[in-house]
Amino acid sequence: NAGVTQTPKFQVLKTGQSMTLQCAQDMNHEYMSWYRQDPGMGLRLIHYSVGAGITDQGEVPNGYNVSRSTTEDFPLRLLSAAPSQTSVYFCASSRGSGTALEKLFFGSGTQLSVL
Amino acid sequence: LAKTTQPISMDSYEGQEVNITCSHNNIATNDYITWYQQFPSQGPRFIIQGYKTKVTNEVASLFIPADRKSSTLSLPRVSLSDTAVYYCLVGGPSGGSYIPTFGRGTSLIVHP
Repeated sequence: NAGVTQTPKFQVLKTGQSMTLQCAQDMNHEYMSWYRQDPGMGLRLIHYSVGAGITDQGEVPNGYNVSRSTTEDFPLRLLSAAPSQTSVYFCASSRGSGTALEKLFFGSGTQLSVL
Repeated sequence: LAKTTQPISMDSYEGQEVNITCSHNNIATNDYITWYQQFPSQGPRFIIQGYKTKVTNEVASLFIPADRKSSTLSLPRVSLSDTAVYYCLVGGPSGGSYIPTFGRGTSLIVHP
């Protein structure tokens, strides 16, 4: 199993550009989520999904869109990139519907810079 | 959601035992305590989870007192490779979805 795969690993955007961060998991996990991590900060939840066709907002959803058309994939879209979105983005998944009992598996992250 | 408080940073030396305490005064009856470890340039990794008393696995031990208002992650005989950020999470099954919340964590630096 590859686990949670994120692409790309690095990305540089200009302000106003759009892009999609990809996340795929091969563990048949119901729960998937996106976090961002800024220097000296913990991880902040952007969006999450408890199953295909179901998504919800986390703590910092503004400027990001998500969709969950399949169990395996959970892409994160930046509609119009801003310098404030410069961050490291992590995708995570777990077996259950996001309860604390379920172990989260993280991808290796995408480092995004917006100029 | 129960709020957690951890030390921002800790220093230790190789071979020592390290104990990181997390305070969670308003933990709910159904809440579990989970610890994650994050190395630089990597996503967090699950270490251990418990509900009460003591849990031990091949990596760490988790001590939870009877009132469950705090918990202590114990790393035996640390090595340089244990240098990482450690996060304490508290939460449990609820009527809706649970949103795992990571604070700033504790940055552990292990010195030679």
